[in-house]
Amino acid sequence: DTGVSQDPRHKITKRGQNVTFRCDPISEHNRLYWYRQTLGQGPEFLTYFQNEAQLEKSRLLSDRFSAERPKGSFSTLEIQRTEQGDSAMYLCASSLGVGENTIYFGEGSWLTVV
Amino acid sequence: RKEVEQDPGPFNVPEGATVAFNCTYSNSASQSFFWYRQDCRKEPKLLMSVYSSGNEDGRFTAQLNRASQYISLLIRDSKLSDSATYLCVVKSGNTGRRALTFGSGTRLQVQP
Repeated sequence: DTGVSQDPRHKITKRGQNVTFRCDPISEHNRLYWYRQTLGQGPEFLTYFQNEAQLEKSRLLSDRFSAERPKGSFSTLEIQRTEQGDSAMYLCASSLGVGENTIYFGEGSWLTVV
Repeated sequence: RKEVEQDPGPFNVPEGATVAFNCTYSNSASQSFFWYRQDCRKEPKLLMSVYSSGNEDGRFTAQLNRASQYISLLIRDSKLSDSATYLCVVKSGNTGRRALTFGSGTRLQVQP
């Protein structure tokens, strides 16, 4: 499968624990995005990388959230000291960049904080 | 005010019906427009881009009105398989804003 892959697909964690999600974009794509989606809402932008550079972060990305893309390939999204309000689907997407408007989403990582 | 607004629905229509969804956006600098489709508990997938002159893809027609900052999607001859949430998506032309902004989606349920 050459699409965007995310891991784990589902995660249940206790409040206060840290969680990390991984995203492997489509191989030739240099742009990578993280979105969060809760029930009844559209995806909300969290952050965006071009190669290894994190070019934009949403106000939604509090200090407890950190994202990295160390070698310009896969990316990780870590949430520290999880709260119940963090329960959502975390979507990763990638695009080719430079005039390419279409972004391709992974299947998402579902987080439930109990 | 949300940057992209949609009627959440649900729109319940019989098979074969024609249904239209509307969307408004607040950022006049927006340059690119799309409709994405999202099935329940799945990732969004691009349905079609929206061009200024309007465009059609089979049973789907998209229209853009820049003056009114309004986008529409028309689905003709609805199929059961069209049941999904349709997300209106806008990309700003402002520098540094490379990501897409999604509406909350309009849910369509096509009934036999």
